[in-house]
Amino acid sequence: QMQLVQSGAEVKKPGASVKVSCKAPEYISTTNFMHWVRQAPGQGLEWMGIINPSNGDTSYAQKFQGRVTVTRDTSTRTFYMELSSLISEDTAVYYCARDTGTIYAGKDWSLDLWGRGTLVIVSS
Amino acid sequence: QSALTQPPSASGSPGQAVTISCTGIRSDVGGYTYVSWYQQHPGKAPKLILYEASKRPSGVPDRFSGSKSGSTASLTVSGLRAEDEADYYCSSSVGLYNYVFGTGTKVTVL
Repeated sequence: QMQLVQSGAEVKKPGASVKVSCKAPEYISTTNFMHWVRQAPGQGLEWMGIINPSNGDTSYAQKFQGRVTVTRDTSTRTFYMELSSLISEDTAVYYCARDTGTIYAGKDWSLDLWGRGTLVIVSS
Repeated sequence: QSALTQPPSASGSPGQAVTISCTGIRSDVGGYTYVSWYQQHPGKAPKLILYEASKRPSGVPDRFSGSKSGSTASLTVSGLRAEDEADYYCSSSVGLYNYVFGTGTKVTVL
């Protein structure tokens, strides 16, 4: 079953940063836009940002502006989401998710392929 | 950007239909066709079940249908089955550069 492969769980102290990775296997195209979404325990989905895999252009939810950085490494087919100045409320499962839209046709804003999620726990 | 508004819960007996609403504003649901719906079972990643308000990805049963009118989108699950018990989230693009999810609805099959 096609799936994006995410890095393992992390435990961080308040004030630290975390960097989560998301690798697209060879059989998955890397011409699709990629999103990052998080879900706090028992809570709903929260969109964080999106990256154009071709030129690295990003757009972030206002809530995370200045604290989140999404990047990609085209040579390794890997996407990254780094969140800084962590607080306890950042404890969540972080997902990468592929947009059905490509760099050729533009964003479709529907997410058809997801990673399994990476649990990030922020605790002193 | 505020989350789209969904009812917290909905329920129905097997074989019945349940409809979930998703209310936004002109700058999101009301302004674009990019409304999607996701199904999420406990401990699992979300799954896309509808896009562009009413289109089904390959493999999604036609028991799932959607519509949009003004700033409100709706998801209907017909012929409810036990496996439909899950959380459902709507979503919408917000302009060209942002995205927002709904608050989520827990569907219970009685």
